[in-house]
Amino acid sequence: AQSVAQPEDQVNVAEGNPLTVKCTYSVSGNPYLFWYVQYPNRGLQFLLKYITGDNLVKGSYGFEAEFNKSQTSFHLKKPSALVSDSALYFCAVRETGANNLFFGTGTRLTVIP
Amino acid sequence: DAGVIQSPRHEVTEMGQEVTLRCKPISGHNSLFWYRQTMMRGLELLIYFNNNVPIDDSGMPEDRFSAKMPNASFSTLKIQPSEPRDSAVYFCAITGTGNTEAFFGQGTRLTVV
Repeated sequence: AQSVAQPEDQVNVAEGNPLTVKCTYSVSGNPYLFWYVQYPNRGLQFLLKYITGDNLVKGSYGFEAEFNKSQTSFHLKKPSALVSDSALYFCAVRETGANNLFFGTGTRLTVIP
Repeated sequence: DAGVIQSPRHEVTEMGQEVTLRCKPISGHNSLFWYRQTMMRGLELLIYFNNNVPIDDSGMPEDRFSAKMPNASFSTLKIQPSEPRDSAVYFCAITGTGNTEAFFGQGTRLTVV
């Protein structure tokens, strides 16, 4: 069975500081991993994905994520947070060969000016 | 958001009434998903279709909920009769094959009074 865990409901960080939003996953095979961002009254927007290859994936708006197979993690990071990064972030996993996409419960990021 | 058009954007209805939510995806996808988002339960997968065929409807909460995909360009989610606890934002999302990311519509905010 596939599952995704985002252990933090809320992350607060000061503007200009690095940010990390945590995600761990569980699949029986090889995972495809995704991060999405949701701004108020909007749908989820794709940020980045890990399929294969380099464990460090770079995506939109300066975000990056590191795939760690031994820890089954895919944490989202950004070196310097902006107030405009404040939003709800979702991690998602799809098992290779499967169609359905499983989402975590989301982490609300607040960047404090 | 541009790849998936959902209508209506907002729906307010009285308890007991039938509600139909609509999704029009762009071409080129092969899977379509319906999600429900609430504060209490987060993002829940209700049902997904692969090549217009329902694959997994285990997330559909009750028999009051039904979904159809008569062709690759249109899907509906119907609630009959609606109840206040159905109030949520309902998202439609699409993916292509394999490792492609999902594209979400902007959602329909349903309020049942």
